[in-house]
Amino acid sequence: DIQMTQSPTTLSASVGDRVTITCRASQSINRWLAWYQQKPGKAPKLLIYKASSLESGVPSRFSGSGSGTDFTLTISNLQPDDFATYYCQQYDLLWTFGQGTKVESK
Amino acid sequence: QVQLVESGGGVVQPGRSLRLSCAASGFNFSSSAMHWVRQAPGKGLEWVAVISFDGNRKYDADSVKGRFTISRDNSKNTVFLQMNSLRGDDTAIYYCARAALLVGTWYDIWGQGTLVTVSS
Repeated sequence: DIQMTQSPTTLSASVGDRVTITCRASQSINRWLAWYQQKPGKAPKLLIYKASSLESGVPSRFSGSGSGTDFTLTISNLQPDDFATYYCQQYDLLWTFGQGTKVESK
Repeated sequence: QVQLVESGGGVVQPGRSLRLSCAASGFNFSSSAMHWVRQAPGKGLEWVAVISFDGNRKYDADSVKGRFTISRDNSKNTVFLQMNSLRGDDTAIYYCARAALLVGTWYDIWGQGTLVTVSS
C-alpha cells in the first residue's frame, strides 16, 4: 500500500499569509496526486489534480507542485474562506489520503 | 444540477447489515466510475470501494474486503454499498464520489454524506 504523510498536522496563519502544506508518498506516484479542501460538516471539495492542475472555479491563489514522492499545496494571500482542513490523495495505485492538515486562524 | 445524494445511513447493531444508496443527477452517470469514501468521527478520509462505469470492475479496501460490496444500477443512476458484518470501526460518514475521468483518477463530485453508526 502507498502511504501518504502530510505536514504539518495543524498550521496557524493569518489572513494574507502565504501557506504551504507538504505531502509525501511512501513510493513514487509520478504526478497522480490531488488536493481537497474540507470544511466542518461538509463534503471535501476538489482543488488540484495531477499535482498542479487547478480545478475549474477554484481561486488562483491555490497552487500545487511536485512529482515522484514530494508534493506541496500553496495558498498565497490566505483568505477567511480558506480556513479548513486540506487532504492530499494519491491515485497511482488504488487511492490513499493523507491524514489532513488543519489551517486555523492565528 | 450536478449532484450526488446518499441515503440509507442510520444506527445498526454490530454484526448486522445496511445498504447505502447514492443517487446521481445532472451528469452522464452511466459513463462514470463511482467511489465510496468514509470518514470516521473526527478522523481523516478513507477510500472504501470503486466500481467502473459498466460495473465490470470493482475494487475495495482491505478493511472492508469480504464484508462490503459495491454495485450500481445505471437505469436508476444509482450506486450502492452493501455492508455486512458491520463493526464498531465502520462507524463513519459515508460519501459517494465520482471519478473525474477513468476508474483510476481523482474525484470531482462528492455527495453530502450519510452517517452510519454501529453500536449495540
